[in-house]
Amino acid sequence: RKEVEQDPGPFNVPEGATVAFNCTYSNSASQSFFWYRQDCRKEPKLLMSVYSSGNEDGRFTAQLNRASQYISLLIRDSKLSDSATYLCVVNTGFQKLVFGTGTRLLVSP
Amino acid sequence: NAGVTQTPKFRVLKTGQSMTLLCAQDMNHEYMYWYRQDPGMGLRLIHYSVGEGTTAKGEVPDGYNVSRLKKQNFLLGLESAAPSQTSVYFCASSYSTGNTEAFFGQGTRLTVV
Repeated sequence: RKEVEQDPGPFNVPEGATVAFNCTYSNSASQSFFWYRQDCRKEPKLLMSVYSSGNEDGRFTAQLNRASQYISLLIRDSKLSDSATYLCVVNTGFQKLVFGTGTRLLVSP
Repeated sequence: NAGVTQTPKFRVLKTGQSMTLLCAQDMNHEYMYWYRQDPGMGLRLIHYSVGEGTTAKGEVPDGYNVSRLKKQNFLLGLESAAPSQTSVYFCASSYSTGNTEAFFGQGTRLTVV
């Protein structure tokens, strides 16, 4: 079993739609969690950290469920510029970050 | 503010050749990482370093060596390149591995023929 698993997609949604991505992790001792965004042929960049209480940043909401070991990202009112690959990232506590394979989002007009 | 800089950005190697990828960061970060990214595989950790003079193996270390002689630099070496090492290589750095952001370089696209 992979340490971090994501649905690869692609998710094709129209502008204005709400879309949600899930990510599961296998190591119950994992300490911190993140969503990164990666545009085509570019480097990953931090989108947001994920806190136990859930957190929101504009149109983006991240949630963590430690009991079920999954993380979610909700994007409301999708924009064309949201088209990218979204990477779930877990700090397993062994001084390394483990990346999921990413979920590709395509927002169409 | 340069952040994380990787050189070179592109390279084509012949099987058996050697090369070194350089990563430099100007943020005084303790932690540095080398990842490779392949289609359908996501980013996989090759080697990492938790401080100057230290290195450790990641998930896919075979065929690669690293050195961290200076805090700001993390070098990735391929002693004898193989076609299986064709990939996009990303270097990253972070202040720690707690709840802190990792900053990535722009990547090196390596093709081994």
